[in-house]
Amino acid sequence: DAGITQSPRHKVTETGTPVTLRCHQTENHRYMYWYRQDPGHGLRLIHYSYGVKDTDKGEVSDGYSVSRSKTEDFLLTLESATSSQTSVYFCATTPGEIYTDTQYFGPGTRLTVL
Amino acid sequence: ELKVEQNPLFLSMQEGKNYTIYCNYSTTSDRLYWYRQDPGKSLESLFVLLSNGAVKQEGRLMASLDTKARLSTLHITAAVHDLSATYFCAAAYNTDKLIFGTGTRLQVFP
Repeated sequence: DAGITQSPRHKVTETGTPVTLRCHQTENHRYMYWYRQDPGHGLRLIHYSYGVKDTDKGEVSDGYSVSRSKTEDFLLTLESATSSQTSVYFCATTPGEIYTDTQYFGPGTRLTVL
Repeated sequence: ELKVEQNPLFLSMQEGKNYTIYCNYSTTSDRLYWYRQDPGKSLESLFVLLSNGAVKQEGRLMASLDTKARLSTLHITAAVHDLSATYFCAAAYNTDKLIFGTGTRLQVFP
């Protein structure tokens, strides 16, 4: 395991409220990713980071923002949550030293937007 | 644009039988990954395939890659109940990003 934790693990919120999910890793991995998992879609990349303060968009980035001020933390923010953002969110990391490294996944956060 | 398709989406198989999951991807990719996910759990890395003709085996699972056909397969030999899970393939693009297939839900029954 890459020592990845996510918080919170479960959250229920209302439409229009801001939500921040946290991913914390203890392995000093360079790359960090946020995915969402929905039935019938597999995992889709939201945003990723290739270093402190270096981030980029993925396939489904609309409505999401990210920040990475420390190597170990990668935050995902829903500025104004919508019901379409109800999903399971996974954080992943990879060392980045060898580009063929696999990605290691956190335990996931189940988010429900009412 | 890279797209990844898996089939079948659902697979119910009897213990002791063999079967293959297929993963097709639409454009050139230099590496292919397989992951396993148990219900309500995270994803666990199974295999990383890096070159044409690559074959990797772990227990009853064997993965292969044909880059010319843009096809990877995950072969299950003599299935057992513990292999019941959802299996995802993912193809790499732009060096550091992955596109995932929709997953194959495998159920092994006695």
